Amino acid sequence: DGGITQSPKYLFRKEGQNVTLSCEQNLNHDAMYWYRQDPGQGLRLIYYSQIVNDFQKGDIAEGYSVSREKKESFPLTVTSAQKNPTAFYLCASSSRGDQPQHFGDGTRLSIL
Amino acid sequence: EDQVTQSPEALRLQEGESSSLNCSYTVSGLRGLFWYRQDPGKGPEFLFTLYSAGEEKEKERLKATLTKKESFLHITAPKPEDSATYLCAVRSTGNTPLVFGKGTRLSVIA
Repeated sequence: DGGITQSPKYLFRKEGQNVTLSCEQNLNHDAMYWYRQDPGQGLRLIYYSQIVNDFQKGDIAEGYSVSREKKESFPLTVTSAQKNPTAFYLCASSSRGDQPQHFGDGTRLSIL
Repeated sequence: EDQVTQSPEALRLQEGESSSLNCSYTVSGLRGLFWYRQDPGKGPEFLFTLYSAGEEKEKERLKATLTKKESFLHITAPKPEDSATYLCAVRSTGNTPLVFGKGTRLSVIA
């Protein structure tokens, strides 16, 4: 079945540590997105990529980094510069144009 | 700046009690309005896309409608399994990412 796979489901970060969240899609979508979801805050855009080897900052990119070396993959690194990383992270993808985004089931990141 | 406001924040219904959720939006030019359902600990699940005022879409007990300023998600005779957070999002002109509202948390009590 086609879909978006996020891993791991739960992740713990130690002080000063970088962690990487995985997102893989087999929908042949060009665009991929990373969102952060906090209680009562809705979805906030971190980074997005509309094509391989290109990506743009979203509304809250500080403390995060991404890469897009393959169409299927869009990993997100939460760096030690992100002082409040505890949140639910969602990856999404879409074909170009007016089509809806489809989401993975998220990674919950907590601080040890 | 594109904005999406959803109301109410939370809604509690008895099973069978129909109601509507509101999504008000401000965009420079609407290319699509999207409704999603999100269960706790899961990613949002796509429900509907609406593209122009007057358009309506239906799926089981859900019906989405669109005007030039807002969209409604009507829930007819809801069941407990309809309990979830419902998210609204818009895409404006250009190939821009979706802008999401904060959602309405719906609880349907048997």
